Amino acid sequence: KAGVTQTPRYLIKTRGQQVTLSCSPISGHRSVSWYQQTPGQGLQFLFEYFSETQRNKGNFPGRFSGRQFSNSRSEMNVSTLELGDSALYLCASQQGSSGNTIYFGEGSWLTVV
Amino acid sequence: TQLLEQSPQFLSIQEGENLTVYCNSSSVFSSLQWYRQEPGEGPVLLVTVVTGGEVKKLKRLTFQFGDARKDSSLHITAAQPGDTGLYLCAGARGKLIFGQGTELSVKP
Repeated sequence: KAGVTQTPRYLIKTRGQQVTLSCSPISGHRSVSWYQQTPGQGLQFLFEYFSETQRNKGNFPGRFSGRQFSNSRSEMNVSTLELGDSALYLCASQQGSSGNTIYFGEGSWLTVV
Repeated sequence: TQLLEQSPQFLSIQEGENLTVYCNSSSVFSSLQWYRQEPGEGPVLLVTVVTGGEVKKLKRLTFQFGDARKDSSLHITAAQPGDTGLYLCAGARGKLIFGQGTELSVKP
C-alpha cells in the first residue's frame, strides 16, 4: 500500500511569490493534516482537513491556506512568501477521526530567497 | 512558549550506552506519542501511551507516561548507531502538539 506522497520534494521560491504544495494520502484515509517543521520552532500544526472540510487550524497567518478534494488529496498554499517561511512542510494522513495512527509523508522542502 | 518541553535537545553517546529523553508539560494530555524522524524523511510513530503510569516496551526502548498524564520519558538501553535520529514527543489535545525534539547521535 503506497504511503503518503508529497510533491514537490524540493523547491526554491523568491520573496513575495506564492507556492502550492500537494499531498496524496494513503488510500482510504480521509483526514489530512499539514505541519511546518523548522530548526527553531520544531513541528507546528498548520491545519487539518476531513472530508473536504477544515476541522482544525493552527496559529498561522492567513497567508497559509489549504483545501481538500473529494478524493482526499490535499493542497496547501502560501502566498506572499517571506524568508521565514523556509521550512520542511509535512503532510500526514489518518483513517478517520483522531485516535487513529497518523502517517507522515517525506515532506516538501521550501527555501525562500 | 513550548507546551511540550523535551530534554535534552542534543545527545551524543557511544554505542552500548543507555540514555533517557524527557518530555514535560504543565498541561494534561489525553495521550502522548513518540516519533522518530530520520534525515530526509517524515516522523514515524513509535508508540502511543494513553493511561497515566503506563509503561510500554519496544525492544530496547521503554516508554513511560507520567501518572498525571503531563509528562513522558523514553529510555533506550544499549544504544546502537541505528538509533540515531530525531526523537519527538507529541501530545494530543484535539490536534497533535509536538515537542522540539531530541537529536540523538550514537557513535560506533
